[in-house]
Amino acid sequence: GDSVTQMEGPVTLSEEAFLTINCTYTATGYPSLFWYVQYPGEGLQLLLKATKADDKGSNKGFEATYRKETTSFHLEKGSVQVSDSAVYFCALSRGSSNTGKLIFGQGTTLQVKP
Amino acid sequence: AAGVIQSPRHLIKEKRETATLKCYPIPRHDTVYWYQQGPGQDPQFLISFYEKMQSDKGSIPDRFSAQQFSDYHSELNMSSLELGDSALYFCASSLAEWSREGPHEQFFGPGTRLTVL
Repeated sequence: GDSVTQMEGPVTLSEEAFLTINCTYTATGYPSLFWYVQYPGEGLQLLLKATKADDKGSNKGFEATYRKETTSFHLEKGSVQVSDSAVYFCALSRGSSNTGKLIFGQGTTLQVKP
Repeated sequence: AAGVIQSPRHLIKEKRETATLKCYPIPRHDTVYWYQQGPGQDPQFLISFYEKMQSDKGSIPDRFSAQQFSDYHSELNMSSLELGDSALYFCASSLAEWSREGPHEQFFGPGTRLTVL
């Protein structure tokens, strides 16, 4: 079945460091890929998405490129801030049954220290 | 802007009791999804509704049932509660499920934290 695998956390960085959170997926066809962020005590917020191969999603300085050849969707940010501390989830949605349900990875906790 | 509303935000129940979680989607959204997130876990899809009809079903126990009403709000009914049902339950809504460009964005509510003692 479809699945998403993320790098284990927590990831601890100093402010202004470069961030990479790895995400790979297994799915047939051409899924859409997402990054969601969850701040403490809150629901999930869509950070960025890509719906086809080679698409680059970007938002708030975060970027991720849909790489079909490596089945990856790694999240990157050039300079993290303390306010970026949160749990990040990679997810996919595959429309073969025409439903939009999301399949999530395990989540990666990011801690940014001043 | 209006967001997804879930009630209650917190719920404490005893084993074998029942619980009802409610979700009010963003106005004009006709699709609702329910997810369960255990402690330290990723959200798991339970069930979804489109235009008041069940559209997909995931790992939802038989003890759980859900429906979407004529005003598009949804309720998740949980019976014979078990300790393992303790989790954060998210509802998400979207404008239909799929477009030509791919799935519509799902907007998540703040969740209902269910604790079963």
